[in-house]
Amino acid sequence: RKEVEQDPGPFNVPEGATVAFNCTYSNSASQSFFWYRQDCRKEPKLLMSVYSSGNEDGRFTAQLNRASQYISLLIRDSKLSDSATYLCVVNGGGADGLTFGKGTHLIIQP
Amino acid sequence: EAGVAQSPRYKIIEKRQSVAFWCNPISGHATLYWYQQILGQGPKLLIQFQNNGVVDDSQLPKDRFSAERLKGVDSTLKIQPAKLEDSAVYLCASSLEVTISQETQYFGPGTRLLVL
Repeated sequence: RKEVEQDPGPFNVPEGATVAFNCTYSNSASQSFFWYRQDCRKEPKLLMSVYSSGNEDGRFTAQLNRASQYISLLIRDSKLSDSATYLCVVNGGGADGLTFGKGTHLIIQP
Repeated sequence: EAGVAQSPRYKIIEKRQSVAFWCNPISGHATLYWYQQILGQGPKLLIQFQNNGVVDDSQLPKDRFSAERLKGVDSTLKIQPAKLEDSAVYLCASSLEVTISQETQYFGPGTRLLVL
């Protein structure tokens, strides 16, 4: 099964700052990409899908770079409530189906 | 809309014992997933069902783990016998379909298993 790599962090960021993190994937045939958010001792929840053209949802922007095989997540004007673990998910299709990264731990400090 | 239901929420067993987890997906969701999440790691897919058929079980340790979804609705994951390294959260998720446009997964609260 192909790999999905994330920097585990933690990223300690002051409230109001902009933070970005990447996720690299090894399967060049990967078909779809997602960012999930997981709060401590809770289940993962979909934050956003990542489209080839890039997409934005409020303060969150996701980008896909197929040539370099990574996706990114940018959070602007960070809030205390953004503190969580952000999981990168890649669907490689076929035998390399859904693979989660280990997650990036984000801590927003007041 | 009711979410994904899982039970039990917590389970403590001794090694070599057996344990079973139950999951009821969101109504109408054809695809069901079981994940194992060890502390500090991302969820690892164990098995994926499309209705009552297995789509992917390549990472399921079949010597001790088994899962079924006989009627294409709820599902059971069993570990027999359990090992210490099976201590983890077992997450169940469902999605409408396995096609790309409808593959958003909705997770249940998970079952926390501790093997002593």
